[in-house]
Amino acid sequence: DAKTTQPPSMDCAEGRAANLPCNHSTISGNEYVYWYRQIHSQGPQYIIHGLKNNETNEMASLIITEDRKSSTLILPHATLRDTAVYYCIVNNYGQNFVFGPGTRLSVLP
Amino acid sequence: DVKVTQSSRYLVKRTGEKVFLECVQDMDHENMFWYRQDPGLGLRLIYFSYDVKMKEKGDIPEGYSVSREKKERFSLILESASTNQTSMYLCASSLSWLYEQYFGPGTRLTVT
Repeated sequence: DAKTTQPPSMDCAEGRAANLPCNHSTISGNEYVYWYRQIHSQGPQYIIHGLKNNETNEMASLIITEDRKSSTLILPHATLRDTAVYYCIVNNYGQNFVFGPGTRLSVLP
Repeated sequence: DVKVTQSSRYLVKRTGEKVFLECVQDMDHENMFWYRQDPGLGLRLIYFSYDVKMKEKGDIPEGYSVSREKKERFSLILESASTNQTSMYLCASSLSWLYEQYFGPGTRLTVT
């Protein structure tokens, strides 16, 4: 079973920031938080991951709370091409990646 | 850019046929994975491999086998295809266990 809880769907206006929440209240100290997304009819695409500190790359920012029980993926300026299912996963060495149902993000014009 | 390719985008096979799904990665990655994706069930791990000739069962290995004779190639085998194996099959690779996985485009298999 997935160790994360995400809202099933969200809408975001084009050009605005999309903030996707993820709850992982049972995360252990050495588990990482990963985010992937899957655009329709394509394989999943890696976005970002982190352990404790906030992370930023060219695609997104990852904000992890101090107690590490939740995180938020931020797409700073959402475009129509960001419409996808977003998966939040916690994982550690030796564990299988478990993709839950994710959040279906719809970016609206 | 990492490239993971899968032999077919769409495949139609008959019940009882032996089916081979091929996956090739071009980045010298150690780990390779096979998942299936079904509506309402998400992605589920079938098998993975962390080295040539090494394989480990994932969460749903029943009815499948795998082969990794070369580092860049990981094959999924359905010994006797059944209708409940109709699904989207996704291959992935990663440099090491905690590194990001790169996915192929998927093979949509229909077993009739």
